[in-house]
Amino acid sequence: GAGVSQSPSNKVTEKGKDVELRCDPISGHTALYWYRQSLGQGLEFLIYFQGNSAPDKSGLPSDRFSAERTGGSVSTLTIQRTQQEDSAVYLCASSLGGQGTIYFGEGSWLTVV
Amino acid sequence: EDQVTQSPEALRLQEGESSSLNCSYTVSGLRGLFWYRQDPGKGPEFLFTLYSAGEEKEKERLKATLTKKESFLHITAPKPEDSATYLCAVQGGGGGATNKLIFGTGTLLAVQP
Repeated sequence: GAGVSQSPSNKVTEKGKDVELRCDPISGHTALYWYRQSLGQGLEFLIYFQGNSAPDKSGLPSDRFSAERTGGSVSTLTIQRTQQEDSAVYLCASSLGGQGTIYFGEGSWLTVV
Repeated sequence: EDQVTQSPEALRLQEGESSSLNCSYTVSGLRGLFWYRQDPGKGPEFLFTLYSAGEEKEKERLKATLTKKESFLHITAPKPEDSATYLCAVQGGGGGATNKLIFGTGTLLAVQP
């Protein structure tokens, strides 16, 4: 595709359930990022991938959060045992290597009820 | 620790009334300063990257400038369609393998006809 693609665009889940959010980066982009944006807040860094490796996981808020990337392309962010404070927009971004322009997807809106 | 502060938090302009948004930053070894535009319910849209003090970039009614401590986004004769949240972010070179961006909380711009 032409841009970063994320799915689902909206997800409502019950507290305690697990959720998976998917990101399909721009073709050929080796760097991939996950951010979280809570209502009215700035973007909070979660994790950075270069290829299939994650050299920076420093932003993951707890061990309930994990992410993987396979084939140097698609990435999945998994949140286990969701809590209400996990409600936010989860944004994925990609760039051509670590120095290039970073392009964002439209985000996955997660609501935990 | 890398930090970005944007001001004002919100700005209301009349159509045609020029103004500037400020982004102050502290970073270990700036590799790039990024400006994005974000519309409600959308992901951030890339505007500019600035790499060194004294650099300027322009796009339509927007002009971004950079000094060693801050960046300005100048908006000349704005139109209602310029209404959005403008985000500033820095990419530091303070060591490690990360290429993450650190974001400010944004300036919400409203341009009234």
